[in-house]
Amino acid sequence: EPEVTQTPSHQVTQMGQEVILRCVPISNHLYFYWYRQILGQKVEFLVSFYNNEISEKSEIFDDQFSVERPDGSNFTLKIRSTKLEDSAMYFCASSERTVSETQYFGPGTRLLVL
Amino acid sequence: QKEVEQDPGPLSVPEGAIVSLNCTYSNSAFQYFMWYRQYSRKGPELLMYTYSSGNKEDGRFTAQVDKSSKYISLFIRDSQPSDSATYLCAFQGAQKLVFGQGTRLTINP
Repeated sequence: EPEVTQTPSHQVTQMGQEVILRCVPISNHLYFYWYRQILGQKVEFLVSFYNNEISEKSEIFDDQFSVERPDGSNFTLKIRSTKLEDSAMYFCASSERTVSETQYFGPGTRLLVL
Repeated sequence: QKEVEQDPGPLSVPEGAIVSLNCTYSNSAFQYFMWYRQYSRKGPELLMYTYSSGNKEDGRFTAQVDKSSKYISLFIRDSQPSDSATYLCAFQGAQKLVFGQGTRLTINP
C-alpha cells in the first residue's frame, strides 16, 4: 500500500540553525501539506501546496518557514533560523485532490531545538 | 468559543466494552468529518471519513455526525487492547484539516 515517507525520523539542532525536513508524498497525489504537533498539543496545520505554489498557510507559517518541491518526488519544509519553540513533531501529508479528499499522513519528523 | 472541542481523557475501559468518543465544533463551514487514530510517536492514520449527518459503519467502528448540533462521535464496539491509542477528530472546510486535542484511550485486557 502506498504511503507517505519522511526523513529524518529525528533531528536535533542548535537554535538559529537551518533545518530541512523531507517528505516523499504518495506518487499520484497532487496536494501536499505540512502539519506540526508540539508535545501534548493538537496537530496544527502549517501550509498546503499545489502546482508548485502555496495554496493556504496558517499564521504559524511565517517568514522563517518555506516549502519546496525540488523534484518530482520530494516535498521539503525548511526552517531558516530555528527557535526553541519550533521543537515539535512535523507531519507531511498528501491527498489526491483537494477538499473532500483524504489526507494521508507520514510518520513524522521529531525536531528538537536546543 | 473554541473551533473544535474534544475531551483529552484519558479514557480507560475493559476489553470488549463499547467506547464512545465525541467532539463538538463551532465552524459551520466544516463539511467533512474525520476520525484519525494516532499511536504514540506516529503519524495520524485515517479511520473514518464522512460528510453527511447520520451514521457510517466500518467493521467495529461507527462514525456519527449531527450537523444541527455540531457534534460528531466515534463508537468502537468489542474494543481490543490494540485499539489503545489517541483518537483525533478532524474537520475540513477548505484545504486544511482542523484537529481536536485528541482523546487518549486505553483498553485493558
